[in-house]
Amino acid sequence: DAGVIQSPRHEVTEMGQEVTLRCKPISGHDYLFWYRQTMMRGLELLIYFNNNVPIDDSGMPEDRFSAKMPNASFSTLKIQPSEPRDSAVYFCASRHLDRKAFFGQGTRLTVV
Amino acid sequence: TQLLEQSPQFLSIQEGENLTVYCNSSSVFSSLQWYRQEPGEGPVLLVTVVTGGEVKKLKRLTFQFGDARKDSSLHITAAQPGDTGLYLCAGAGAGNMLTFGGGTRLMVKP
Repeated sequence: DAGVIQSPRHEVTEMGQEVTLRCKPISGHDYLFWYRQTMMRGLELLIYFNNNVPIDDSGMPEDRFSAKMPNASFSTLKIQPSEPRDSAVYFCASRHLDRKAFFGQGTRLTVV
Repeated sequence: TQLLEQSPQFLSIQEGENLTVYCNSSSVFSSLQWYRQEPGEGPVLLVTVVTGGEVKKLKRLTFQFGDARKDSSLHITAAQPGDTGLYLCAGAGAGNMLTFGGGTRLMVKP
């Protein structure tokens, strides 16, 4: 298995633009998580899905952030409009039941 | 909100030295995980400890879960440059959701 695949690896965008981050979880995993990592705040859980259904989005910072999981093999995290303080590394992770979680390589977002 | 505090935040040592990293909380966790993250990569799970007082060893790494399941430590013996990275602890709470500590950034100099 190729592991959790995220795209793009790097994204540089101007303030106000829409940004879409993509994630392909490991096949067969029923949980998918979106995290954000910054030096100041560390690794924060934004939202997670179970069987494609959003379960807890209390970590989503603002209405500018939205996440979808249209099927078991694909999820997106969208920021519209983006702001400089959204600059961070965004990780997607997946796991099966309560077993080990696997992280993708992350998307480094820079909003200028 | 369950908070996990890691100490130290930064650690720079010479190859061959021993070190201990701590992870503390006022909350009880059903289990605690340790991850290692290298630059440009996502965190990779090293170990999960479940039982209070449990000790697990992974080569030169020794992990301990506190008796009350509120704290944990990671001890590295004879550190090597390959041990350099960000070490994260994460506590599992309701629904097995993970709360991450702020991390300890370790640099081992040859």
